[in-house]
Amino acid sequence: ETGVTQSPTHLIKTRGQQVTLRCSSQSGHNTVSWYQQALGQGPQFIFQYYREEENGRGNFPPRFSGLQFPNYSSELNVNALELDDSALYLCASSSDPGSTNEKLFFGSGTQLSVL
Amino acid sequence: RKEVEQDPGPFNVPEGATVAFNCTYSNSASQSFFWYRQDCRKEPKLLMSVYSSGNEDGRFTAQLNRASQYISLLIRDSKLSDSATYLCVARGYSGAGSYQLTFGKGTKLSVIP
Repeated sequence: ETGVTQSPTHLIKTRGQQVTLRCSSQSGHNTVSWYQQALGQGPQFIFQYYREEENGRGNFPPRFSGLQFPNYSSELNVNALELDDSALYLCASSSDPGSTNEKLFFGSGTQLSVL
Repeated sequence: RKEVEQDPGPFNVPEGATVAFNCTYSNSASQSFFWYRQDCRKEPKLLMSVYSSGNEDGRFTAQLNRASQYISLLIRDSKLSDSATYLCVARGYSGAGSYQLTFGKGTKLSVIP
């Protein structure tokens, strides 16, 4: 077990709805990254939060947004859901985002289905 | 062109076989490289880091060739429990002091009794 927990494990939404996914980072980790993994694809970087600030973003539209809280847990919010948003959403935590030895520890993910 | 490319497989090999996976990356500024293992619809788990000098962890050997932008993973004496998808990963700078992992699509391995 990595100590990174995500909730919920599964979620079904309809097009146009909004969703919030949650992640608790491993103890001692101040950095959280979010990835989207569509079926048959590798995970794609959405964004990263370090000490409550977004400090890196992948090629995702603004309707993907996030938060990090003082305890370093994090939320991923997606507005105006589209069918293509159906995917496994993975959260990863780490403790040293600038180090070349940085290692990410992934949670077990939230499987989102948009109907 | 995808930033990290892998042969998706599947590779179906008998127990005890040796199997090799290859991967290429397009961003020459990538700084670190890894192999992750992912079981069906579960989270990726770090298998090993990859260094230019080559590194070995038990039955697993990884190699990086920066000149060719090529990464490999060799698995010797395959076990049934090695059946999984193997993800090739490059880590590069994404701005504002952060780094991101760029994953390949993964190579599926099935080890057959």
